[in-house]
Formats: sequence, C-alpha cells, structure tokens
Amino acid sequence: QQPVQSPQAVILREGEDAVINCSSSKALYSVHWYRQKHGEAPVFLMILLKGGEQKGHDKISASFNEKKQQSSLYLTASQLSYSGTYFCGTQKYGNKLVFGAGTILRVKS
Amino acid sequence: NAGVMQNPRHLVRRRGQEARLRCSPMKGHSHVYWYRQLPEEGLKFMVYLQKENIIDESGMPKERFSAEFPKEGPSILRIQQVVRGDSAAYFCASSLGQNSYNEQFFGPGTRLTVL
Repeated sequence: QQPVQSPQAVILREGEDAVINCSSSKALYSVHWYRQKHGEAPVFLMILLKGGEQKGHDKISASFNEKKQQSSLYLTASQLSYSGTYFCGTQKYGNKLVFGAGTILRVKS
Repeated sequence: NAGVMQNPRHLVRRRGQEARLRCSPMKGHSHVYWYRQLPEEGLKFMVYLQKENIIDESGMPKERFSAEFPKEGPSILRIQQVVRGDSAAYFCASSLGQNSYNEQFFGPGTRLTVL
C-alpha cells in the first residue's frame, strides 16, 4: 500500500535538474509532495488531484498520471536549498496520507 | 500567524513511564493528524481526529497508545508504559478541511527518547 519512490537518492550540482517519481498500486484521489530537511518538520510543496488540478509552489512543477497511478516531481535549476528528503503522500479517500520511503536529494556547489 | 505547535520538542522517558505529546493546530484548523517517523525512515500515519472525535485510528498500535482532541485545548497523544521501540519523532499535522484539496501543515515534532 505504501507508494514506491524512485530514485532512493540523487546527487546534483547546482543548476542541474532532477525528477523524483512516486507510484502506487492503488487508485488515488490525490498526491501530496513534501520536503524535509534533517531534524525539521516536513514542508508542504504541492498537491495534485485527480482531474488535473494542482496547488502548490510556484517554482516546483509536478505531474499526475491517473491511469498509471504515478506522480513525478520536477526540480529544475536546482539550488543548495533544495537539498533534503522528498516524500510523496498518496490519498485514496478521506484524509489519511500514506507516505513513501523518501528520496534523498543532495545539491552540491 | 502561528503554525502548528507541538510540545515538548524533546522528551526523555525511562521504560515503563508515560509520555504525553501535545499538538495545537493552526488557527482555524479543526482536523489533526499524528504521524510517527523512525530514524532514517518515512512518515507513518497513526491517527486522524476532529474535535472530540477519532475519525481514523487505523495506524495506532492496539495497546498503550491513545489520542484525543478535546473541545478545548490541544490534541494529545499518550503513550503508556513506553518501551525502547517507541523512540521516534512524532509529528502532528493540521488541515483546514477534509477534502483532498486541503494540504496538511506539520508541526516541528516531538523527539521521544526512551532509555
């Protein structure tokens, strides 16, 4: 039931792009993306809803393929501040979010 | 504009003691969720509450754990007779409404260490 995230970890240089994927075997209503820095709380980035609606960060884009039950988070022109662990949370119904294991992103100068 | 508040931020307990974790949701939010995060792992859902009601407790261990969100005051997650395996970060989140369009805002967490 836990969504699968890939890759598990990625290292970038400043200015490079990255894609983080999240897939589920179950039908989804929405996908929520969060970033967590070490020792801190997860910070909301984006929600993607069935039907194509999105809500979130101006500088981050994402997609939601309803047929494949997959979402991808696109990080372009990465900055040092993008470093952290990215989690997708999937929601079938109600409000329970089921989170993936996370993708560790490290941006080097 | 205060965010979600949790206290204490760090809590140390000996095996067998009780731990009480408090969460005050963002102003105007009446939906509260508790998640547990073990070191180097993801967030695991525990319980979802609205004022005076437990809506979904499917992630709560059957014994020793309980949660409440009274009409007045913060939500409380209580762990009785703590064991070393309870050591984790416990995050509370709140949202404005109950549909999928409402993002959950997380508090800073309570780091519980059981000696």
